[in-house]
Amino acid sequence: QKEVEQDPGPLSVPEGAIVSLNCTYSNSAFQYFMWYRQYSRKGPELLMYTYSSGNKEDGRFTAQVDKSSKYISLFIRDSQPSDSATYLCAIGAGGNQFYFGTGTSLTVIP
Amino acid sequence: GAVVSQHPSWVICKSGTSVKIECRSLDFQATTMFWYRQFPKQSLMLMATSNEGSKATYEQGVEKDKFLINHASLTLSTLTVTSAHPEDSSFYICSARAGGRGPTEAFFGQGTRLTVV
Repeated sequence: QKEVEQDPGPLSVPEGAIVSLNCTYSNSAFQYFMWYRQYSRKGPELLMYTYSSGNKEDGRFTAQVDKSSKYISLFIRDSQPSDSATYLCAIGAGGNQFYFGTGTSLTVIP
Repeated sequence: GAVVSQHPSWVICKSGTSVKIECRSLDFQATTMFWYRQFPKQSLMLMATSNEGSKATYEQGVEKDKFLINHASLTLSTLTVTSAHPEDSSFYICSARAGGRGPTEAFFGQGTRLTVV
């Protein structure tokens, strides 16, 4: 069983839609939950992270963690064409080892 | 945010040759650098962790004699793929973290696409 599972998509939505991106994980010891955004030919950039459980909101982005279900989500409200990218989740216990999802490719159509 | 520069962005080499990839932190001192590899449609996989001035720690299944990592300064780490073969063709990406920073505060380079022919 993989440490982290993420639906690779691709996901295509109209501008203004709400986007939901998800990952599941297997190890209940994981405490750090991160979301990265990666544009084509660029390195991943940290978008949001949560420690332990709960929700975190930053502008149009909301990250949720459900530790009981081992399920994390990233919601993007009022999606924009500039949000078109690959979104990766990364999950870890706090050391140097983080497990990445395969990434979900998102296209927001104007 | 902090800037990490990786060079080259892409490289094609002949089977049996060696390729060196550089990872530089441009505006901070990177005590720790991480090297990842990503095959198509797969996750980023951590290959090794290096601390400045120390030997790298390799993940299980990664050949340390094949993937030579040097982290001789606080702003530069290099990954050398020795005697490259077509199966080594992949996307290699580094990330760097300053000393005393938490696990979420590592910044990624833009990656290097290696193709071995």
